[in-house]
Amino acid sequence: QKEVEQNSGPLSVPEGAIASLNCTYSDRVSQSFFWYRQYSGKSPELIMSIYSNGDKEDGRFTAQLNKASQYVSLLIRDSQPSDSATYLCAVNIQGAQKLVFGQGTRLTINP
Amino acid sequence: ETGVTQTPRHLVMGMTNKKSLKCEQHLGHNAMYWYKQSAKKPLELMFVYNFKEQTENNSVPSRFSPECPNSSHLFLHLHTLQPEDSALYLCASSRWTSGEETQYFGPGTRLLVL
Repeated sequence: QKEVEQNSGPLSVPEGAIASLNCTYSDRVSQSFFWYRQYSGKSPELIMSIYSNGDKEDGRFTAQLNKASQYVSLLIRDSQPSDSATYLCAVNIQGAQKLVFGQGTRLTINP
Repeated sequence: ETGVTQTPRHLVMGMTNKKSLKCEQHLGHNAMYWYKQSAKKPLELMFVYNFKEQTENNSVPSRFSPECPNSSHLFLHLHTLQPEDSALYLCASSRWTSGEETQYFGPGTRLLVL
């Protein structure tokens, strides 16, 4: 079982709709969770971090964490064509100074 | 993210060449990382340095040799690479505090091995 799993997509969402991206992880004691956005040919940039169960909102982005079910999700409201990118989920491995990344979900927002 | 810079941005090298990738962070962080990103594969962690000390070597072939002279600079020395080593090499840095680190990435070096 992969440590961090994401649906590779592509996920197509119409402009203005809500895009929902999901991620599951295997390490039950992971504490830190991150969403990165990566445009084609560019490096990953941090979108959100979340450490506690529940929702965390930042503008059009909402991260949701459920440690009991071992999943973390990212919602993008009012999706824009500029949101088209690959979204990477990353999880801190307990006791190790490193993040483990999922393979990323490619999101396309259709005008 | 201009806090982490990488040079060169693009590199083409032959299998017998020796080259080095450079990374510099201006964020006051104490940890630095090298990642490899190949097409359609997840980010692969290569090396981790914390306060200049290597804390992780993720089974990387010896043709990749990291160097961290101080907390702000990180190098990746390359020699006798193979075509399958062609990839985007990303440097990242963080202020390591147990359980809540956030890594910031440089722009990457696109490497092509002929």
